Amino acid sequence: AQSVAQPEDQVNVAEGNPLTVKCTYSVSGNPYLFWYVQYPNRGLQFLLKYITGDNLVKGSYGFEAEFNKSQTSFHLKKPSALVSDSALYFCAGRVTTDSWGKLQFGAGTQVVVTP
Amino acid sequence: DGGITQSPKYLFRKEGQNVTLSCEQNLNHDAMYWYRQDPGQGLRLIYYSQIVNDFQKGDIAEGYSVSREKKESFPLTVTSAQKNPTAFYLCASSGWTEAFFGQGTRLTVV
Repeated sequence: AQSVAQPEDQVNVAEGNPLTVKCTYSVSGNPYLFWYVQYPNRGLQFLLKYITGDNLVKGSYGFEAEFNKSQTSFHLKKPSALVSDSALYFCAGRVTTDSWGKLQFGAGTQVVVTP
Repeated sequence: DGGITQSPKYLFRKEGQNVTLSCEQNLNHDAMYWYRQDPGQGLRLIYYSQIVNDFQKGDIAEGYSVSREKKESFPLTVTSAQKNPTAFYLCASSGWTEAFFGQGTRLTVV
């Protein structure tokens, strides 16, 4: 079965330190992968996506993610976290060979950045 | 965000009532989705549609119904059969390489 997993319920980091939010995927074909951020009582905002090409993808608000096919991972990173990065982050994926192309979401990771 | 509009932002339902949440997109996306989110929780798929006049049940479809008469619109009806409807509801649409969400509707039973 196709799936996306976020192994950490919460990540705590001090402001100014590097931030990493983990995501792994399990698909039978080549994946399209996405990261979203959700602030309280808001919809999900698109951060970045991997479709093809460079394994390092740059997105909004200084975030980037690295696609690693051998480790089936797509971890979200930011070199220096801000308090305003505190939010709920979701990884999502779909299979390029799936005619339905239904999005699969991870369970979400709460990021807490302390001053 | 990204051309998807959900309305209303807040909705109150009395016991035994059906209510309908609106979702409209102008992105020309084929696929549309409805998710439910409970406090501190992830997303649970209610229904999705890949094409007009066709839709599929997600993981928690009981007590909900949808229609897809137009490509742009995917309304969700929360029926009286849904015993615990208080939640945050999110609509999304997607093409092959992109997916965007609406701002959500918070439904409360009063």
